[in-house]
Amino acid sequence: KNEVEQSPQNLTAQEGEFITINCSYSVGISALHWLQQHPGGGIVSLFMLSSGKKKHGRLIATINIQEKHSSLHITASHPRDSAVYICAVSSPFTGNQFYFGTGTSLTVIP
Amino acid sequence: GAVVSQHPSRVICKSGTSVKIECRSLDFQATTMFWYRQFPKQSLMLMATSNEGSKATYEQGVEKDKFLINHASLTLSTLTVTSAHPEDSSFYICAAKPIRGENEKLFFGSGTQLSVL
Repeated sequence: KNEVEQSPQNLTAQEGEFITINCSYSVGISALHWLQQHPGGGIVSLFMLSSGKKKHGRLIATINIQEKHSSLHITASHPRDSAVYICAVSSPFTGNQFYFGTGTSLTVIP
Repeated sequence: GAVVSQHPSRVICKSGTSVKIECRSLDFQATTMFWYRQFPKQSLMLMATSNEGSKATYEQGVEKDKFLINHASLTLSTLTVTSAHPEDSSFYICAAKPIRGENEKLFFGSGTQLSVL
């Protein structure tokens, strides 16, 4: 079983739809990260959070430490949001190691 | 924001040759850099942790002699795939952890797609 589980694996949405990607983890963490990987492969860090909620533009990330769950929301989705979104956690028990989810492939159709 | 430069972005080589991939942190220092491998539609798999001035720490199942890592300075780590074989074809990506500032974050290179013929 992976330390980090994401759902759904694949998601297709119409432009303008509200999108939610979920992440559950099973280890104690120091922080949870949401990453975006574009088709070319490059990865960009979207959020790092250890509690509560963060917002950046149309992206919102929330985390519930007690339930070991995080969500990434995209409001008013756009085709340029099409990418793979990866949830990762850093654990104080494993030094520098990050655990990665398998990613959610999002396609937003115009 | 912090930038990590990785190149080459794509390399095609013949079986038996060696390939070097460079990872540079452009505007910050990183004592720790990570090397990951990613197969299509799969998650990032940590290969090794590279520490400046000391030997890399390899994950179980990763051959040290095949994947040579050198972290010569606080801004440069290299991964050399020696005697590459077709099964080494994969996407390799590095990430750096800043010494100061946002040192809980990882900053990723743009990745290298290796194809071994």
